[in-house]
Amino acid sequence: NAGVTQTPKFRVLKTGQSMTLLCAQDMNHEYMYWYRQDPGMGLRLIHYSVGEGTTAKGEVPDGYNVSRLKKQNFLLGLESAAPSQTSVYFCASSYGLTDNYGYTFGSGTRLTVV
Amino acid sequence: AQSVTQLGSHVSVSEGALVLLRCNYSSSVPPYLFWYVQYPNQGLQLLLKYTSAATLVKGINGFEAEFKKSETSFHLTKPSAHMSDAAEYFCAVSEEAGGFKTIFGAGTRLFVKA
Repeated sequence: NAGVTQTPKFRVLKTGQSMTLLCAQDMNHEYMYWYRQDPGMGLRLIHYSVGEGTTAKGEVPDGYNVSRLKKQNFLLGLESAAPSQTSVYFCASSYGLTDNYGYTFGSGTRLTVV
Repeated sequence: AQSVTQLGSHVSVSEGALVLLRCNYSSSVPPYLFWYVQYPNQGLQLLLKYTSAATLVKGINGFEAEFKKSETSFHLTKPSAHMSDAAEYFCAVSEEAGGFKTIFGAGTRLFVKA
């Protein structure tokens, strides 16, 4: 029972480089989310998806793009990385949009942009 | 608009002492409330959730939280701290509104002294 799996776990990028973070869930959840975690700021929502083929902007979407081509996968892309995007990124999934079931989180991707 | 405030970015207790982590929220409608725990280098795990069924909610690892509408609070408690409870704890609030809204607090790091 893997739950939510994120790859890679660590990455160092140079400013201007691009990369894609992969999130995969095996719980048949409809809803998936990408958050970033920065010290003292809690978790901030970047983008989310309410089902296969759908995406929507969250609180801090600038500089990121996402795709949900398959129900079990949710990809987060950085087209031109900036030092301000140094953070820990978490993917999560849930049954319901209203979140009354709570989220299942991945173990995170630690990204450093130099 | 909903919001959540966690009082104290750091809390230190002795092993065996009471744990009290404070969370206050604001919401225009009856909220769903959650506590998550994050151990070092891991993702967030759901500790417990309030979804209007009962005001005193019991979670995993001996934690519980009480929903107090009059105080707009959802404080997390544990009667006796264990060394393994050292982690960061996040309170979160969600509304069953017309769109997706879940807000996480900034987190409280719990230290447990031997």
